[in-house]
Formats: sequence, C-alpha cells, structure tokens
Amino acid sequence: GENVEQHPSTLSVQEGDSAVIKCTYSDSASNYFPWYKQELGKRPQLIIDIRSNVGEKKDQRIAVTLNKTAKHFSLHITETQPEDSAVYFCAPTQGVWSGGGADGLTFGKGTHLIIQP
Amino acid sequence: NAGVTQTPKFQVLKTGQSMTLQCAQDMNHEYMSWYRQDPGMGLRLIHYSVGAGITDQGEVPNGYNVSRSTTEDFPLRLLSAAPSQTSVYFCASRAQSNTGELFFGEGSRLTVL
Repeated sequence: GENVEQHPSTLSVQEGDSAVIKCTYSDSASNYFPWYKQELGKRPQLIIDIRSNVGEKKDQRIAVTLNKTAKHFSLHITETQPEDSAVYFCAPTQGVWSGGGADGLTFGKGTHLIIQP
Repeated sequence: NAGVTQTPKFQVLKTGQSMTLQCAQDMNHEYMSWYRQDPGMGLRLIHYSVGAGITDQGEVPNGYNVSRSTTEDFPLRLLSAAPSQTSVYFCASRAQSNTGELFFGEGSRLTVL
C-alpha cells in the first residue's frame, strides 16, 4: 500500500506570509494528487488537485506542485489569511480514470497550519 | 442534493454496548467508505465498498462491521464498543469516474466510556 508522509506536522506563519506543505509518497503508480482542507470541527474538503501529467496547478492563492521523479508534491498558499487556519491532508493515489479507485485513499497525518495575526 | 448524511452527530456508549452509525448519500456514488480520525493520526480507513453487495477491509477494520445492501446506504456497526473506539467517524463517497474526489459527511463523534 501507499506510504504517505507530510511535513511539517505543524506550521505557524504570520498573516500575509506564504506557507508550504510537503507530501512524500511511495507508490510510483500514483498519478492523482489531491489536497484536502479541514477546518476545526468541520469535514475535510478538496481544495486543489493535480494529475501526474501536469507539473503545477494554481487556483488563486493556492497552488500544488509535483515532482514525480522524487515522489513528492507540495501545497503552496500565498498571502495567507486567518481563514487559511486549518489542517491540511494529502492523499496521493491512482486516479479512477486510470484504473485506480479499487480501494481506499491513504491520507497523510495532516499539517496544522496556524496563521498568526 | 443533501450530499453525504451521517447520523448521529454525537453518541456516548458504555463499554460492550453496540450501535450503528448511519451513512447515506444521494449522489449515486458507487464508492463509499468509513474513516476514523484521532488526534495526530490523520484519517484512517476502516471499511469501504465499491458497490452494492461488495465490501472490503481498510487499515483498521477490527471491531467494526459494514454492509452495503443499496447504493445509497453504508452503515457502520460496532458490535461491542471499546474505549479504543472513541473517535470521530467520517463517511465518504465518490463516483467511480474522473479523478475520484471524496465527499465527506459531517462526522460522528463517538465516546465509549
């Protein structure tokens, strides 16, 4: 199965600064790389994802970059705001379009992002 | 669409009691799963199903049973609750198409005394 590690486990940044969270994985068959955000007391929700045929994807202040050779991908948040405070999870997997999805997602243990005012 | 609905939201049990966490989705998703979330442990897969009549074990299945008699419902049963099963439980579903984004329920907080 997939071995997933996230770093750091806790990240504290000043409001307005950038934050970067890294996810490493072991399964070379993984080709879909999502990030989920979970606010305190809420459910996890997908915020951005990338497929292996793309090296980077941006959506306003968030971006995901992929290094498939090194088997890691990162979540980048620029101009951080108080509402970015949450736990972020990565869940690399084989996308269902390529024959994956036969089993469950393996999530990283999460990164607690704290935005200091 | 209501999405993924879980009940109850909160439950307190005594050791040895049994209960069922309910999960229903109205998105016609083939895949459904149960995760438990404990501090510092992330989301760990308990059981999953790729369609009605098909279930399989995840990473931490012991102490839990599931069944999938319809596409919409995927209940999680605790036959004899233990304090180690104190956790927040999330049901999640996805379509077996495109990428496979997971849609989560609101969660059920279970305390076993």
